[in-house]
Amino acid sequence: GAVVSQHPSRVICKSGTSVKIECRSLDFQATTMFWYRQFPKQSLMLMATSNEGSKATYEQGVEKDKFLINHASLTLSTLTVTSAHPEDSSFYICSAIGSGTDNYGYTFGSGTRLTVV
Amino acid sequence: QKEVEQNSGPLSVPEGAIASLNCTYSDRGSQSFFWYRQYSGKSPELIMSIYSNGDKEDGRFTAQLNKASQYVSLLIRDSQPSDSATYLCAVNRAAGKSTFGDGTTLTVKP
Repeated sequence: GAVVSQHPSRVICKSGTSVKIECRSLDFQATTMFWYRQFPKQSLMLMATSNEGSKATYEQGVEKDKFLINHASLTLSTLTVTSAHPEDSSFYICSAIGSGTDNYGYTFGSGTRLTVV
Repeated sequence: QKEVEQNSGPLSVPEGAIASLNCTYSDRGSQSFFWYRQYSGKSPELIMSIYSNGDKEDGRFTAQLNKASQYVSLLIRDSQPSDSATYLCAVNRAAGKSTFGDGTTLTVKP
């Protein structure tokens, strides 16, 4: 089955620094990747949708200059949290779908737990 | 009204019982429906998909879809403590983009 690898699984960074999270589709070409954020005991919140080779589409209220998304290839998307602050501490999860799978479920990465101190 | 609604729970059932999870959606044009399971601290994993009216069975799981009533459900037979998790209902709209419900937390008591 489809596998999505997400790294790192856990990161602690100092306030004001930037953190990059990678999301790779291992055995399929991911035409679309989604980035979610989830706070404890809350639902998934879609942050942005990225299509290979084009700019990401951000959801309302998500700062595109703070959460930089790059989807440079069909197997890799990255999320960079710039100038991180403690309120950015959260669980970040990517998911991917491939060409011809628009009606299939998402394959999720294992998530990245970000703690900003 | 939310696009996808689920009872937040928690839903508690004894081990061996049937757990019934419900979901309603507002977009009549929705075509694909999914159930995901999310253990605490982990990312969601797809457990069932259903595309046409009726029932779809996979092991102890049965998904039921009624497009006229805009309703999709998940039944878990012979519930086990390992089934304790949050279950997310998702509905596909255009371009493969899913809308997720807030999830129902299920606890199966030994």
